[in-house]
Amino acid sequence: DGGITQSPKYLFRKEGQNVTLSCEQNLNHDAMYWYRQDPGQGLRLIYYSQIVNDFQKGDIAEGYSVSREKKESFPLTVTSAQKNPTAFYLCAIGTGGNTIYFGEGSWLTVV
Amino acid sequence: GNSVTQMEGPVTLSEEAFLTINCTYTATGYPSLFWYVQYPGEGLQLLLKATKADDKGSNKGFEATYRKETTSFHLEKGSVQVSDSAVYFCALSDLSSSNTGKLIFGQGTTLQVKP
Repeated sequence: DGGITQSPKYLFRKEGQNVTLSCEQNLNHDAMYWYRQDPGQGLRLIYYSQIVNDFQKGDIAEGYSVSREKKESFPLTVTSAQKNPTAFYLCAIGTGGNTIYFGEGSWLTVV
Repeated sequence: GNSVTQMEGPVTLSEEAFLTINCTYTATGYPSLFWYVQYPGEGLQLLLKATKADDKGSNKGFEATYRKETTSFHLEKGSVQVSDSAVYFCALSDLSSSNTGKLIFGQGTTLQVKP
């Protein structure tokens, strides 16, 4: 089975902890993205990467970090500096023609 | 800056009713326009897209026409089903960014279809 795989589906974070969300793709696309979704709101871009070993901040990068050491992987770390991390996180890949496709998402809850 | 505005939800319809979800945008240049659908607890799925003025995107009975003169991309379906109940997002490609693929989303419109 191919596509975009996010894990875990559900994650709980204690105050002061860093947590990492995984995003893997086997579709051989260069561009990958992380979006955040809050209830009743649209999606906001956290980070994006257009090529291995390079990534750029999106609109709400504060409190997050990423790496892009391999083409197929783009993990997102939610650091303790992110004061309101409870949200639904969506990884996506970019294809030609400005079209992006999303993974199934990961729910992060602070406990 | 670029932005997308969708009609307020929730929208509640009976099965087989006609659906319209309004979407208007503000953008410089000629962005591509998209509709995504999100079922409960899932990621977003691309429903349809249009890349230039007067293009009509269509999929699964849904349609939307890129209207540059009214800066709109309204989503329509002639006869909705209970299985169409979901949240629908309108989006545009941000041409102001060097990053192709960055999208700007509306806030989403919840559709509930009753039997």
